[in-house]
Amino acid sequence: GAVVSQHPSRVICKSGTSVKIECRSLDFQATTMFWYRQFPKQSLMLMATSNEGSKATYEQGVEKDKFLINHASLTLSTLTVTSAHPEDSSFYICSARAAGRENSPLHFGNGTRLTVT
Amino acid sequence: AQTVTQSQPEMSVQEAETVTLSCTYDTSESDYYLFWYKQPPSRQMILVIRQEAYKQQNATENRFSVNFQKAAKSFSLKISDSQLGDAAMYFCAYRRGYMNYGGSQGNLIFGKGTKLSVKP
Repeated sequence: GAVVSQHPSRVICKSGTSVKIECRSLDFQATTMFWYRQFPKQSLMLMATSNEGSKATYEQGVEKDKFLINHASLTLSTLTVTSAHPEDSSFYICSARAAGRENSPLHFGNGTRLTVT
Repeated sequence: AQTVTQSQPEMSVQEAETVTLSCTYDTSESDYYLFWYKQPPSRQMILVIRQEAYKQQNATENRFSVNFQKAAKSFSLKISDSQLGDAAMYFCAYRRGYMNYGGSQGNLIFGKGTKLSVKP
């Protein structure tokens, strides 16, 4: 089945530094990937939609300069949290849909737990 | 805008018994998909079952089945013969049909989730 690999699974960084999270589709090409954020005991909230070869679309209230998204290939999207602060500590999950299969379910990565100290 | 509501923050079921998780949604569209995802403590999102809105027949996957009431905009999940491994957060989710994607690109809209506990 379709596999999405997300790396790292866990990261601790100091306030003011930047952290990059990778989302890879291992056995399929994904023109569209989604980045979600999940606070403890809460639901998944869409942050942005990543499209291969074009600029990401951000949801209202999400700072595009703080959460940089790059989708440079059909199998890789990255989320960079710039100048991280403790309030950015959260669980980040990516998901991807196979190209040409617009009605197929999304495949999720295992998530990244970010802790900013 | 579409919304998904799960009114049960927590549910509990005895092992081998049956439990039903509720979900209602609001939409003005006729073409859409509904999903139930399971999120165990590992935080991995696992697709449990999905339903196409144009299909009247309720979807089933082994011990999991749904009661899809389109007119009432209700989409409940029934878990039969509950097992300890079913304990997890369960999220109901909505997605537009492909022809209506527009700017949404087909992202999922999630409910707040129901935490299911299974008692041995």
